[in-house]
Amino acid sequence: EVQLVESGGGLVKPGGSLRLSCAASGFIFSSSSMNWVRQTPGKGLEWVSSISSGSTYIYYADSVKGRFTISRDNAKNSLYLQMISLGAEDTALYYCARGSASGSGRYYREGHFDSWGQGTLVTVSS
Amino acid sequence: SYELTQPPSVSVSPGQTASITCSGDKLGDKYACWYQQRPGQSPVLVIYQDTKRPSGIPERFSGSNSGNTATLTISGTQAMDEADYYCQAWGTNKVVFGGGTKLTVL
Repeated sequence: EVQLVESGGGLVKPGGSLRLSCAASGFIFSSSSMNWVRQTPGKGLEWVSSISSGSTYIYYADSVKGRFTISRDNAKNSLYLQMISLGAEDTALYYCARGSASGSGRYYREGHFDSWGQGTLVTVSS
Repeated sequence: SYELTQPPSVSVSPGQTASITCSGDKLGDKYACWYQQRPGQSPVLVIYQDTKRPSGIPERFSGSNSGNTATLTISGTQAMDEADYYCQAWGTNKVVFGGGTKLTVL
């Protein structure tokens, strides 16, 4: 059974930093693309970042580019999101999701997300 | 930047057919997928690659994608189908979600 367990969320002051983790099990982590998606309470889903299985392809939403860094450790079956310069607009529930990327080069594309974690809550407030 | 547009809400009577649309420029040239999210729960994939159902998803869920519109159809809608539904596609080096549609079964 695929399991994704996020951790690392919490209360942080504006301008602060936080590192989220996602522990994966039940599938071959090193063969799967992975993603972070966030959701503000009562609002819709917002894609944050994607990383290919071997970390070759990395993409970010414009809203987080330059502030967030996605990474993975295939030996530890873990996905990470380093967040800096946090603002109130980053307050959300952050989900880790397994992707289904295909292609390479300019034909690389992320596909559907077939498994999601339960999320970890990030609150940015003074 | 690429955008996907969904109606904010759709209502359906139990046993009837619900259709939720997702519009985007030449969306039919891309793969679209759909997620169901019940209150307090994580999203669940219900349709991928336009028309495919993951294992465990009831047959009453189906999808189509042509031109500028992808459609999620729920036949014989049940009370348990009341939820938020989101479409998703790959834009220019970005994953794009639609704004979501609240399906009310009344």
